[in-house]
Amino acid sequence: QKEVEQDPGPLSVPEGAIVSLNCTYSNSAFQYFMWYRQYSRKGPELLMYTYSSGNKEDGRFTAQVDKSSKYISLFIRDSQPSDSATYLCAMSLNSGYSTLTFGKGTMLLVSP
Amino acid sequence: EAQVTQNPRYLITVTGKKLTVTCSQNMNHEYMSWYRQDPGLGLRQIYYSMNVEVTDKGDVPEGYKVSRKEKRNFPLILESPSPNQTSLYFCASYPGAGGPGEQYFGPGTRLTVT
Repeated sequence: QKEVEQDPGPLSVPEGAIVSLNCTYSNSAFQYFMWYRQYSRKGPELLMYTYSSGNKEDGRFTAQVDKSSKYISLFIRDSQPSDSATYLCAMSLNSGYSTLTFGKGTMLLVSP
Repeated sequence: EAQVTQNPRYLITVTGKKLTVTCSQNMNHEYMSWYRQDPGLGLRQIYYSMNVEVTDKGDVPEGYKVSRKEKRNFPLILESPSPNQTSLYFCASYPGAGGPGEQYFGPGTRLTVT
């Protein structure tokens, strides 16, 4: 079983749709959970960052962490064509520097 | 403007010819990392550095070397490149506070080894 699983997509939705992106993981010691967005030919950029379980909201984006189920989600409301990108989940063990473990990324396509 | 820069952005080379990919950050970050990104495998960490003269292996360090002689620079060295090192490489820096997710990535270097 891979440490972090993420459906590669592509996930195609119409503009305005609510998008749900998910990752599952096997290591219950992960405590920090991140979502990165990567546009084609660009480096990843941090979207959301949460510690332990719970929800975090930032504009149209909501991150959810369910540690009991080892499942994290990113919701995008009112999706826009500019949201078309690959979304990577990432996790780490502690707040000091430690290796980030990335999912393989889900490609999202939002059509006008 | 706060940024991580990498050079070159594209490189085609031959097996065995030593090369260096440079990375520089202007944010005075303590931590820097190198990743490679491959289709179907995602982002994997090669090496990281916690400060000047302090480096450690990531998940896939074989065939790579790094050095950190100055805080702002973290070059990636391939002493004898092989075709299986053909990949997209990213350098990242992190301030050391706020959590490991706060990494800032460079634009990437696409390396082809023939």
